[in-house]
Amino acid sequence: SQKIEQNSEALNIQEGKTATLTCNYTNYSPAYLQWYRQDPGRGPVFLLLIRENEKEKRKERLKVTFDTTLKQSLFHITASQPADSATYLCALDPRNQGGKLIFGQGTELSVKP
Amino acid sequence: GAVVSQHPSRVICKSGTSVKIECRSLDFQATTMFWYRQFPKQSLMLMATSNEGSKATYEQGVEKDKFLINHASLTLSTLTVTSAHPEDSSFYICSASLQVEQYFGPGTRLTVT
Repeated sequence: SQKIEQNSEALNIQEGKTATLTCNYTNYSPAYLQWYRQDPGRGPVFLLLIRENEKEKRKERLKVTFDTTLKQSLFHITASQPADSATYLCALDPRNQGGKLIFGQGTELSVKP
Repeated sequence: GAVVSQHPSRVICKSGTSVKIECRSLDFQATTMFWYRQFPKQSLMLMATSNEGSKATYEQGVEKDKFLINHASLTLSTLTVTSAHPEDSSFYICSASLQVEQYFGPGTRLTVT
């Protein structure tokens, strides 16, 4: 069956450390994968998109990798800050389905000062 | 850029009444908009894909007669929850696609009493 999975356990880290979040999928061949941030009671905010032919993408303190062999994407936040505390969602396109996205369940990140 | 608004942000209605939620892309034209619902501590579940000028495509298990979607222009899509019941209480979020990225509205909290 098709699945997209993120760490269900909340991730607690110390300010200044690097947070690494994982997204694994099975039985999909996405052309791209997207990462979003969601705060409680708010809609998701787009962060980064990485395509199947890209290994890595960076934006300021954020880095995303995409390994289509392992069927995995890693999302890194370097020099983390308490303001980075939120739920992070990965989403992939199931390809040729009108641009719709399938979301993982999200990983809650808590950065302690 | 890429701002999506939703209105209302919060609505309480009585069982049996209908509620309309608007989704607007403020600074871009979106040929495709998507509607999601999200229950507490759960991920986003796609309800339907809305294309301007054509009928919406509903995901399996979503009743099209209960959740009416209209996409009358390139910047506006509406979701009407008809004959709402307490089990329809949820957080409804729309998104609009700009190329392949999706940009989300802030969400609408619907409570049916």
